[in-house]
Amino acid sequence: QQQVKQSPQSLIVQKGGISIINCAYENTAFDYFPWYQQFPGKGPALLIAIRPDVSEKKEGRFTISFNKSAKQFSLHIMDSQPGDSATYFCAARDPTGTASKLTFGTGTRLQVTL
Amino acid sequence: DGGITQSPKYLFRKEGQNVTLSCEQNLNHDAMYWYRQDPGQGLRLIYYSQIVNDFQKGDIAEGYSVSREKKESFPLTVTSAQKNPTAFYLCASRDGQGGSPLHFGNGTRLTVT
Repeated sequence: QQQVKQSPQSLIVQKGGISIINCAYENTAFDYFPWYQQFPGKGPALLIAIRPDVSEKKEGRFTISFNKSAKQFSLHIMDSQPGDSATYFCAARDPTGTASKLTFGTGTRLQVTL
Repeated sequence: DGGITQSPKYLFRKEGQNVTLSCEQNLNHDAMYWYRQDPGQGLRLIYYSQIVNDFQKGDIAEGYSVSREKKESFPLTVTSAQKNPTAFYLCASRDGQGGSPLHFGNGTRLTVT
């Protein structure tokens, strides 16, 4: 059972455009929603994260929008640049049990063209 | 320079052989994790360890084994029982504080033929 659904699978955006990646979750116990950025041949790196008591968080060109009632959250990349070309993963943390674990979405491959 | 070191970067094995992937961290983190990454499937948790000499199965532990004899080290063995071992394997760690982020190594790509 996929607990975090991510879309689209791939995305092509022109330089300067807005990239939008969406995620939906089912488990209302999730309490922390990070986004990771992964370049080819590298491990994922934390990009930005949000907690469910906040509807939006912005860091530079990256913004997370969070809709608790709809159980959805999204990543917006403003003024997308070729250097943003990477795979992006959303994730959600379940704090219950003996250890908090992250459940990841399936990833979105972003390509920013000139 | 603190971080997580995974070695080797590429690993090739014949079917039927066990293989051990190395993961070392100098971040003084308590918790360590192994994930498997396959195209279109995201990251799936294999095993995790919160303290030395203790570890728990993740979502896809079958065919894998781990040990945690030292805080810095969390090696993963891919056994011959793993049906589809070819994948990109990622090690991660975080400290024991709630809300602390997960730090990843740069992965080992294992190819079994």
